[in-house]
Amino acid sequence: KQEVTQIPAALSVPEGENLVLNCSFTDSAIYNLQWFRQDPGKGLTSLLLIQSSQREQTSGRLNASLDKSSGRSTLYIAASQPGDSATYLCAVSNSGGGADGLTFGKGTHLIIQP
Amino acid sequence: AAGVIQSPRHLIKEKRETATLKCYPIPRHDTVYWYQQGPGQDPQFLISFYEKMQSDKGSIPDRFSAQQFSDYHSELNMSSLELGDSALYFCASSLGGAGYNEQFFGPGTRLTVL
Repeated sequence: KQEVTQIPAALSVPEGENLVLNCSFTDSAIYNLQWFRQDPGKGLTSLLLIQSSQREQTSGRLNASLDKSSGRSTLYIAASQPGDSATYLCAVSNSGGGADGLTFGKGTHLIIQP
Repeated sequence: AAGVIQSPRHLIKEKRETATLKCYPIPRHDTVYWYQQGPGQDPQFLISFYEKMQSDKGSIPDRFSAQQFSDYHSELNMSSLELGDSALYFCASSLGGAGYNEQFFGPGTRLTVL
């Protein structure tokens, strides 16, 4: 059974810092990995999708990398802003042949101090 | 851009009652997923449909059922509600049933069982 772990569970940094969130998964036979952002009591916003054949994806100040063989992904946030404060969730899909659900980590709760 | 629509946004029920949650996917998306997120928990996959056929099943209780209709909207039916069913229920949609397709989440339905 796929298990996804996110480290750290919580992080508080001053505005302007660059930071890295970590995600690891136990079964390397994934088809894609998604990073989401969730604000308290709200829905999930997809930030980046990395397919298993890719090494990284970039969107604005966000960069996600994937090392499938070692079961790891990182989300790099450059020049953090208070508006980046949220919970960041990593999720993996284990199938390319069907509409399989995502397996989520428990998230990293990020606070950016003004 | 059009997003996933869920209704109702909030629902309050008594124990042993039934509830029906509705999901309208992004236009042209043919795949729908349902997730349950308990307080302080990560989202747990319940069930998915591709082209109106059940595709994958997660930790969905036998008291719950779901279907996808000809217009691709989906409904999650929950019977004999228990206090533990109180949670945020998310619907997500994607284009195509393959696991490498990005899932987009709706705002969720907050179900409270009293």
